[in-house]
Amino acid sequence: DTGVSQNPRHKITKRGQNVTFRCDPISEHNRLYWYRQTLGQGPEFLTYFQNEAQLEKSRLLSDRFSAERPKGSFSTLEIQRTEQGDSAMYLCASSFSGTQANEKLFFGSGTQLSVL
Amino acid sequence: KQEVTQIPAALSVPEGENLVLNCSFTDSAIYNLQWFRQDPGKGLTSLLLIQSSQREQTSGRLNASLDKSSGRSTLYIAASQPGDSATYLCAGSLYSSASKIIFGSGTRLSIRP
Repeated sequence: DTGVSQNPRHKITKRGQNVTFRCDPISEHNRLYWYRQTLGQGPEFLTYFQNEAQLEKSRLLSDRFSAERPKGSFSTLEIQRTEQGDSAMYLCASSFSGTQANEKLFFGSGTQLSVL
Repeated sequence: KQEVTQIPAALSVPEGENLVLNCSFTDSAIYNLQWFRQDPGKGLTSLLLIQSSQREQTSGRLNASLDKSSGRSTLYIAASQPGDSATYLCAGSLYSSASKIIFGSGTRLSIRP
């Protein structure tokens, strides 16, 4: 069990550029979550996947944000035309949901995005 | 809209004290609840998970309880140590959307040697 892996750890970009983050969940986990966290706040829910299906998406997520999880394995989160307000830590988490729901979340170390 | 409140926002106590952190949900129909620890600049580590059929969980010096009638949870830390210094967050999901897990803002805990 190598845990949840996120890349890159840090990303600095200029306003207006597109960025993409990757998350590799724990291999047997069928659920994958994306959260955004700013300093002093708890993580804000963005979206989650059950296998390859994106089942819920927060209203916080504008049209500039898109997430995919092809084949139900790794996931990518893309932000188009970045704005300074997008600067935050982007966290990925995974869990296993079986016949008895057990939503114990395992988090990655996050990707810190800075938009200049 | 479901909101999660954690009180206090920050707490500083001397080493060895027992302490209680509080968490409350505006909607008491909580499906399950988790407590996490977060160190500065790091991801979150799950400490305790209280599943839908449970009311309490214990791990070492930590004990978490959930009162579903009021939508309140407490995290009890016994015999605190400087290594317990971190931010503690509670997170829960509702019966109406059991897979959407939402977080409080956390309690920043500092244990003085």
